[in-house]
Amino acid sequence: GQNIDQPTEMTATEGAIVQINCTYQTSGFNGLFWYQQHAGEAPTFLSYNVLDGLEEKGRFSSFLSRSKGYSYLLLKELQMKDSASYLCAAMDSNYQLIWGAGTKLIIKP
Amino acid sequence: GAVVSQHPSRVICKSGTSVKIECRSLDFQATTMFWYRQFPKQSLMLMATSNEGSKATYEQGVEKDKFLINHASLTLSTLTVTSAHPEDSSFYICSARPPGQDAGGYTFGSGTRLTVV
Repeated sequence: GQNIDQPTEMTATEGAIVQINCTYQTSGFNGLFWYQQHAGEAPTFLSYNVLDGLEEKGRFSSFLSRSKGYSYLLLKELQMKDSASYLCAAMDSNYQLIWGAGTKLIIKP
Repeated sequence: GAVVSQHPSRVICKSGTSVKIECRSLDFQATTMFWYRQFPKQSLMLMATSNEGSKATYEQGVEKDKFLINHASLTLSTLTVTSAHPEDSSFYICSARPPGQDAGGYTFGSGTRLTVV
């Protein structure tokens, strides 16, 4: 079956770095997405990886290893506004997104 | 950037009534729109894929007659929750991908919080 696993909750300190991991199993693979979702709001796109390696976008970076079925989202210089849920989603061979349950990130001062 | 406008943002309705949710692509044409439902502290669950000018494709377990989808134009898709019940209370979100974008270009509407009392 198709499955996405990511931690339920993580806590980090303002100004620090946090890495949110995601492992996936899909029928075929057409890329992996990370979205940020604040409570009561719709998700907003953060990153998309389809090739192995690290993609950096400002304070956020995303990494993919296709052979390991693994990705992570790296957040640097954490700010209080980064407190949100982070959703990992893999696209299967039918271009359908398979969503993880999300990781709730709590930032403490 | 590409924008998907979703209305209403919140709606409270009585049990047994119907509610219509609209999603419009404001600056692009969307031949396909995706409708999701999200329960508290859970991830997005794809309900159906609407296709302009043809029937929607529903995911397993989603009642076609209860969740009516219409995609009559390239910029508008609607989801109607018919005979709503309290268990239908949820956060409904639509999504579309502007043509020409890479696969990372999925844009979400702002979501509709439905409460059935």
